[in-house]
Amino acid sequence: DTEVTQTPKHLVMGMTNKKSLKCEQHMGHRAMYWYKQKAKKPPELMFVYSYEKLSINESVPSRFSPECPNSSLLNLHLHALQPEDSALYLCASSQEGGRDPHTDTQYFGPGTRLTVL
Amino acid sequence: SQQGEEDPQALSIQEGENATMNCSYKTSINNLQWYRQNSGRGLVHLILIRSNEREKHSGRLRVTLDTSKKSSSLLITASRAADTASYFCATVASYGNNRLAFGKGNQVVVIP
Repeated sequence: DTEVTQTPKHLVMGMTNKKSLKCEQHMGHRAMYWYKQKAKKPPELMFVYSYEKLSINESVPSRFSPECPNSSLLNLHLHALQPEDSALYLCASSQEGGRDPHTDTQYFGPGTRLTVL
Repeated sequence: SQQGEEDPQALSIQEGENATMNCSYKTSINNLQWYRQNSGRGLVHLILIRSNEREKHSGRLRVTLDTSKKSSSLLITASRAADTASYFCATVASYGNNRLAFGKGNQVVVIP
């Protein structure tokens, strides 16, 4: 199984709402990632978890709060978002989390299309 | 600025033709990877080339890497309509962890 799943596929929320994006993988990968992608732009890294610990936070605003409950799950909690946060949010996982960068391929989920009204 | 940067071109080719796209980067890398993305969905990993490799093949894909010029190319031979997608190169810097730095992407349209 080389699949990374993400739910929901689409999410529309108001600026006062609280919602969560979920990501799951069963490949035994120990690194998981959140990316944000605006239309016609490349993905931008937000967070990296390695062995269930947050290892990289790319200066993301606190209205985005990641959580890694276990090695298979990654959540992104959203609160008080702005319309400019509307984007495709991609989750990815990789086997070693950077310990062997020559072969550490990242596998991406299909993304959650987020619209903030 | 981003690690990997493709020439900002959109390609429109006929089915059966070859498609070539380029990528340049700025710093020392561990590896360079190419990804495909269809219609704003998830990225699909295509191929990884290590910094000590110069050429790699995978099916209809051929990737070259020139570390002296800090550039890479992706060739898709005998293109198919299903190859229509955005293609991104991404680099992993030699100094850090597995942080992928994506380039701007190339939109490829294959006309049946």
